[in-house]
This record gives sequence, C-alpha cells and structure tokens, in this order.
Amino acid sequence: DIQMTQSPSSLYASVGDRVTITCRASQPITTYLNWYQQKPGKAPKLLIFAASSLHSGVPSRFSGSGSGTDFTLTISRLQPEDFASYYCQQSYSLPPTFGQGTKVEI
Amino acid sequence: EVQLVESGGGLVKPGGSLRLSCAASGFSFSHYTMHWVRQAPGKGLEWVSSISSSGAYIDYLDSLKGRFTISRDNAENSLFLQINSLRADDTAVYYCARDQPTENFGVIVQENNNYFDSWGQGTLVTVSS
Repeated sequence: DIQMTQSPSSLYASVGDRVTITCRASQPITTYLNWYQQKPGKAPKLLIFAASSLHSGVPSRFSGSGSGTDFTLTISRLQPEDFASYYCQQSYSLPPTFGQGTKVEI
Repeated sequence: EVQLVESGGGLVKPGGSLRLSCAASGFSFSHYTMHWVRQAPGKGLEWVSSISSSGAYIDYLDSLKGRFTISRDNAENSLFLQINSLRADDTAVYYCARDQPTENFGVIVQENNNYFDSWGQGTLVTVSS
C-alpha cells in the first residue's frame, strides 16, 4: 500500500496568514493526489483533486500543487472558517490511502 | 442536491454483526461507484470498500476481507455494508462516499477515480462488551 505522510501534524495560525501543508507519498503517484477538509463532528469535504484542480464551490484561496511524491496545499489568506483538519489522499492505486491529517488551529 | 444518509450504527458486543445502510438522493445513484470510509475516534480516515455502479466490481481493504461485505440496491438508491465478527478496533464512524467520475460533455467516461466528492454525515459503530 502507498503510505502518505503529512507535515506538520498541527500548526497554529492567525486569520489572514498564508498556510502551507505538505504531503509526501511513499512512491510516485503522478498527480493522483486529493485534499479534504474536515471540521469537528462533520464529514470530510473535497477541496482539491488531481493535485491542483479546485472542486466546485471551493474558495479560490485554496490551491494545490506538486507531482510525483511531493505535494502542497496552500491557503492564501486564512479565514475563520478554515480552522479545521486537512487530509491528503492518493488515488493512484488501491487501496486509496490518506495522510494522518494536519490540524490548523488558532 | 446530493444527499447521502447513513444509518444502522450502534453499540454491539465483540463478535456481533451489523448492517449499515446509506440512502442516496439528488443524483443518478445507479451511475456512480460508491465507497465506505471509516474514522476511529480521534484518528484519521481509512478507506474500507468500494462497489462499482452495477455492483460487478468490488474491492476491500485487505485486512477487512472476509468480515465485511459491500452491496447495493440501485432500485432503492441504497448502499450497504455488512460487518461480521465485530472487534473493538472496528469502532469508528462509517461514512458512505460517492466517487467522482470523469465526465465529458455530461457523459461519464471513467466511472471510478477513487476519490470522494460527496460524503454522508456518518454512522457511529461502537464495539464494546
């Protein structure tokens, strides 16, 4: 199985900050990389698919980049509603696997 | 609006069984690959199983094979997960999720991409004596 490793596990930020989360795959996955946001007690929501494509309805302050084994999720200007956990997920091969998550806190 | 509503969770003793359901609405359920994903309390996300639109293709996490059975009823717009021989480490919120297909001018050209564009609210399964 492909292992996904996110860093950091948690970070503290303020409204208006630029935030970057990284995700590394244990083997090359081209651009089969997706990002989700999850708030406490809620289901995850798709933010980015295919490494850099913004899912419908997701604000443009979210962006993704990378290919191969190294990927990033960037929030350009953090908003109050962005405090949440973020997960990367590879869809290159079965089973789909997730990173351990990054919690963005105030 | 796409809606996925899970049910069937609850408290069950080790060794017991449960059948989880997911009622779908707001989209053509019979055209989409569907998945189950679980999340243990305070932990990350773990993919469990998937089933193709027709039900012909099914996959499971290797460690769960033999105890978990995914199925669907396209006439009833419903997805199911039968879990047998429940263990404490099966305790989790179980989400059903829709696969995002590749479309070309509104026609699905690739059914499963193994990522998830819509999720239900989840149903909690607790395994404890």
